[in-house]
Amino acid sequence: EAQVTQNPRYLITVTGKKLTVTCSQNMNHEYMSWYRQDPGLGLRQIYYSMNVEVTDKGDVPEGYKVSRKEKRNFPLILESPSPNQTSLYFCASSLTSSGDIQYFGAGTRLSVL
Amino acid sequence: QKEVEQNSGPLSVPEGAIASLNCTYSDRGSQSFFWYRQYSGKSPELIMFIYSNGDKEDGRFTAQLNKASQYVSLLIRDSQPSDSATYLCAVSNNNDMRFGAGTRLTVKP
Repeated sequence: EAQVTQNPRYLITVTGKKLTVTCSQNMNHEYMSWYRQDPGLGLRQIYYSMNVEVTDKGDVPEGYKVSRKEKRNFPLILESPSPNQTSLYFCASSLTSSGDIQYFGAGTRLSVL
Repeated sequence: QKEVEQNSGPLSVPEGAIASLNCTYSDRGSQSFFWYRQYSGKSPELIMFIYSNGDKEDGRFTAQLNKASQYVSLLIRDSQPSDSATYLCAVSNNNDMRFGAGTRLTVKP
């Protein structure tokens, strides 16, 4: 089954404790992206990757890191989480670019205390 | 600042009616336009995409694009209670993807 898998689905952590949210897709997509969704603000792009070892900042990259060592995986890293990073996070992938149809993971709800 | 604007709603329509959802965008270079449906607590799922000016129909859904007016809309005919969700408009220019905040639609039986 074609899918984008995120883990964990729910995470509660404390300020400053490094965490990683994993994202994996099995569709051989080149383009992958991370978004955060906050009430009233919609989905905002954090980082995106056009292919292995190619990443770029989206609208709200501060406080986040990503890597793309393999085509299927695109982890989101919060080196020192802060309460303002409490949000719902989605990973998405598409065939070649954001202009293609994007397929979303189930989401990760993160709370930073 | 490139923006995508939607009326947040809630938009309430009776079952069987036509629901009309609207979206405006500021980036004139935008090339791809999408409508996603998002149920509460779930991930967005694609409803329609449109690349050219005019109308595109798929079942009960019609997407309309007017690039000159920087306007894209989604019509849902014969609305069903299962259509109750938040509808997100998304606009892409190369690898810059922008989403609107969404319009919450309620279809009343």
